[in-house]
Amino acid sequence: DTGVSQDPRHKITKRGQNVTFRCDPISEHNRLYWYRQTLGQGPEFLTYFQNEAQLEKSRLLSDRFSAERPKGSFSTLEIQRTEQGDSAMYLCASSSQGQATYGYTFGSGTRLTVV
Amino acid sequence: DAKTTQPTSMDCAEGRAANLPCNHSTISGNEYVYWYRQIHSQGPQYIIHGLKNNETNEMASLIITEDRKSSTLILPHATLRDTAVYYCIVSRSGNTPLVFGKGTRLSVIA
Repeated sequence: DTGVSQDPRHKITKRGQNVTFRCDPISEHNRLYWYRQTLGQGPEFLTYFQNEAQLEKSRLLSDRFSAERPKGSFSTLEIQRTEQGDSAMYLCASSSQGQATYGYTFGSGTRLTVV
Repeated sequence: DAKTTQPTSMDCAEGRAANLPCNHSTISGNEYVYWYRQIHSQGPQYIIHGLKNNETNEMASLIITEDRKSSTLILPHATLRDTAVYYCIVSRSGNTPLVFGKGTRLSVIA
């Protein structure tokens, strides 16, 4: 297993465009998390899934953001009508419910720049 | 989850031990202390966690005070590759959303 994969690594988009990011978790991990990180700040929680069920959404996840995890495998995060304030690193992580006291495995992130 | 307080930045000479403190005075009895680090342009990496006993793995040691109100992450022989932001997090489980603060920026100097 090569760990958590995120695609693309970098995305530059014009304000108002829609973007979609993909995350492939570690195959045996049933929990998947999305975080956002801006310069100089720690990662901020957005949402997470257990299998295909979205269990929690942060108030940071505005109506323009939507996340899915069909079939409980990979996940996508879509941002509609992007704004300059959406520029950030979007991080995905996964964990196994069966190992509740252990930590996450993060991907390398997708860096979004809205121009 | 309890809040943590960490110094903004620290320096450490290469080859010396790096001791990173964390205060978590409001920690509850069932909350663990987790440490992650983030090297520039990468996602955070899990280091170690503990409940009340000291813990050691191949990466680091975690010392938790008896009252559990503070802890110290120890990198025994810091190398330049240990330069990163280190996050101390308190949570009931490592399998639920973790709340990251700003962490401590550790600079290992040759």
